[in-house]
Amino acid sequence: AQTVTQSQPEMSVQEAETVTLSCTYDTSESDYYLFWYKQPPSRQMILVIRQEAYKQQNATENRFSVNFQKAAKSFSLKISDSQLGDAAMYFCAYRSVGDDKIIFGKGTRLHILP
Amino acid sequence: NAGVMQNPRHLVRRRGQEARLRCSPMKGHSHVYWYRQLPEEGLKFMVYLQKENIIDESGMPKERFSAEFPKEGPSILRIQQVVRGDSAAYFCASSPITNKFSGANVLTFGAGSRLTVL
Repeated sequence: AQTVTQSQPEMSVQEAETVTLSCTYDTSESDYYLFWYKQPPSRQMILVIRQEAYKQQNATENRFSVNFQKAAKSFSLKISDSQLGDAAMYFCAYRSVGDDKIIFGKGTRLHILP
Repeated sequence: NAGVMQNPRHLVRRRGQEARLRCSPMKGHSHVYWYRQLPEEGLKFMVYLQKENIIDESGMPKERFSAEFPKEGPSILRIQQVVRGDSAAYFCASSPITNKFSGANVLTFGAGSRLTVL
């Protein structure tokens, strides 16, 4: 069975600085999708960024980028120029191609220090 | 486009009562997923439905829990004879028609329904 592990329960970063959230996953599949979701205090789940495993190029969305290391099964999220509105729980997630379930990690709570 | 609508946002039940959580998917979305989030945990898959069909219920507890997505109306997650351990946030998500060639179809989540069992 696939698993997603986020080893950092909490992290803090100074406003305007850069922070990296770690995620590793375990799968025997070769084709799959990876996601980072953000859950602010409102509890709404918001997609931040996604990556197709067959693409070697790391996905980027404005201040958010990933470091996807397929061989190492690692998928970290980098947030540049951190803003107060980035404070939230961040969940790493995995989905196999052909499967509709998304498997989530336990999350990392990110604090932004003014 | 109102997004995925869940109600109620908050529901309080006493042990032994029934809880019904409703989810209306985004317009044009025919697939609904239910996830449960326990405190300080990630979301755990429960069930995946299309209209009038349960596609995958591998994450649903075998007893007391049921889900439906009728031809008309919202999807319903029903929990009978609730216990304290059922206290959690229940999230619904929807997506358009999906198959293995449709790429990384993104799930759109609702804001969740928080169930508290006294």
